[in-house]
Amino acid sequence: KQEVTQIPAALSVPEGENLVLNCSFTDSAIYNLQWFRQDPGKGLTSLLLIQSSQREQTSGRLNASLDKSSGRSTLYIAASQPGDSATYLCALTGNQFYFGTGTSLTVIP
Amino acid sequence: GAVVSQHPSWVICKSGTSVKIECRSLDFQATTMFWYRQFPKQSLMLMATSNEGSKATYEQGVEKDKFLINHASLTLSTLTVTSAHPEDSSFYICSAREVMGTDTQYFGPGTRLTVL
Repeated sequence: KQEVTQIPAALSVPEGENLVLNCSFTDSAIYNLQWFRQDPGKGLTSLLLIQSSQREQTSGRLNASLDKSSGRSTLYIAASQPGDSATYLCALTGNQFYFGTGTSLTVIP
Repeated sequence: GAVVSQHPSWVICKSGTSVKIECRSLDFQATTMFWYRQFPKQSLMLMATSNEGSKATYEQGVEKDKFLINHASLTLSTLTVTSAHPEDSSFYICSAREVMGTDTQYFGPGTRLTVL
């Protein structure tokens, strides 16, 4: 069974810092990897989707990488802003989505 | 882009009553829809996979008779929480996968259920 772990569970940084969120998984036989953000009490917003054959995707200040051999993905956020404060979830897709445990990010103004 | 809606966005009900939550794909057809629940400060847990025109597939530990799922059309799936109890209070999120295309799933905004 696929297990997806995110470290750290919570992170607090001052505004302007660059940061990295980690996602590790146990089964490399995945299709895609997707990063989401979730604001309190809200649904999911898709940030980046990395196809299984790809190694990274970039969108604005966000960069996500995928290393299937080591079972890891990272989400890099550059020049963090208070508006980035949210919970970030990674998800592996096979026949279904396997969600990570989430990282709660707080960016302090 | 593809949009998935949920109705209602929040609901409060008394213990013992049944609550129906709708999940609609607004601008695409979805043969498969997924239902998740999320407890506070926890991640999403898949409850069941709903296929149009057939019975839903439930994950281990999810009671079929308590969480009734109907996928009546290519754009609508419903989740009915029967005889709701306070422990059923949770955030329920659906997602839909297009008939044609990639494995991309589009997520609804979620429904907050509070059972008193």
